[in-house]
Amino acid sequence: TQLLEQSPQFLSIQEGENLTVYCNSSSVFSSLQWYRQEPGEGPVLLVTVVTGGEVKKLKRLTFQFGDARKDSSLHITAAQPGDTGLYLCAGDGGATNKLIFGTGTLLAVQP
Amino acid sequence: DVKVTQSSRYLVKRTGEKVFLECVQDMDHENMFWYRQDPGLGLRLIYFSYDVKMKEKGDIPEGYSVSREKKERFSLILESASTNQTSMYLCASRHNTEAFFGQGTRLTVV
Repeated sequence: TQLLEQSPQFLSIQEGENLTVYCNSSSVFSSLQWYRQEPGEGPVLLVTVVTGGEVKKLKRLTFQFGDARKDSSLHITAAQPGDTGLYLCAGDGGATNKLIFGTGTLLAVQP
Repeated sequence: DVKVTQSSRYLVKRTGEKVFLECVQDMDHENMFWYRQDPGLGLRLIYFSYDVKMKEKGDIPEGYSVSREKKERFSLILESASTNQTSMYLCASRHNTEAFFGQGTRLTVV
């Protein structure tokens, strides 16, 4: 079974601080995605990374895919209260079409 | 916009009842998924389907079955509900890499 472990599990920070969330696995994934979920809603895709070493930026969010395609990180610069939510990484199982999700990081940004 | 609709936002069922959770997508996607979400465990895959009448077990299929008679509809069935199946259930459909989720069904089994 492919597993994705996220750390930290919870994070409470003040507005304006920077943070990094990690997603790690012992398995290789053909692609890796990051989703954000708000209370009462389903997860919504933020980004997909497909190439080892790839870095993608989405405004204040920077996503990196590890060189070996086993891990990823999400860095948020100058966090805003609107960034509050559950962040989930997800790995593509490739030929099986399975999408395996990580354990999640619950972020709270205090004004 | 892609729309994935789950039939109920909240359900309360009794132990031993047969429970049906329905999911409909409107974008002709081939791949559909059922996950359950529990605090600290993320989303765990129960079953997925890559075509009509085709299904594969995910990581936690025990106590569940699925049905996909039409491309747009993917149903999750709890044959005999138990209290440890109290959870948030999320349905998704997938096109290329992106998954689109419904709003979830919060099921409580009493």
